[in-house]
Amino acid sequence: DAEITQSPRHKITETGRQVTLACHQTWNHNNMFWYRQDLGHGLRLIHYSYGVQDTNKGEVSDGYSVSRSNTEDLPLTLESAASSQTSVYFCASSDSLNSPLHFGNGTRLTVT
Amino acid sequence: DQQVKQNSPSLSVQEGRISILNCDYTNSMFDYFLWYKKYPAEGPTFLISISSIKDKNEDGRFTVFLNKSAKHLSLHIVPSQPGDSAVYFCASGGSNYKLTFGKGTLLTVNP
Repeated sequence: DAEITQSPRHKITETGRQVTLACHQTWNHNNMFWYRQDLGHGLRLIHYSYGVQDTNKGEVSDGYSVSRSNTEDLPLTLESAASSQTSVYFCASSDSLNSPLHFGNGTRLTVT
Repeated sequence: DQQVKQNSPSLSVQEGRISILNCDYTNSMFDYFLWYKKYPAEGPTFLISISSIKDKNEDGRFTVFLNKSAKHLSLHIVPSQPGDSAVYFCASGGSNYKLTFGKGTLLTVNP
């Protein structure tokens, strides 16, 4: 069965370190998205991609970057981790307009 | 500016009764609306959707209603079951594939 996998599931890092969260999907979807979930804020869009070599900023993109070198993967990098980036991160994908997003199970990141 | 609003952080209902979750949106360009369900330590899972050309969509115990003039949608769950206890997110999208989510409503169905 096709799926979307995030790794690691849990990560603890120190302030100032660079961190990369992995997202891999086997749906062969062109569209991929990164969201963060925080209490009181719901799900907020960080970055998204419509295909290989395409990346776009979402509403909370400061301090994050993504790259899309193939269809399957959209890694999320925190350039210099800050305590405000402690959150649960979800990756998602979709194939066409007005089709639902398929989400991974999330990565819980703690920045100390 | 919050484009998708779920004004009730939580809702508690008895098993067998109806659960009604509400959502308001402000962006007139939104033409696709969805509800997601989320259990702890899992990703959101798609529940039901509706396009702007409809005012109702039904799937088993779940029905979504859309009132475009009021920019309001609601999710009805009948009858509610304890396994429905979860956080429910309303989401809206337009022509750019992106979805904007509300803050979520925690539904608790009591046996």
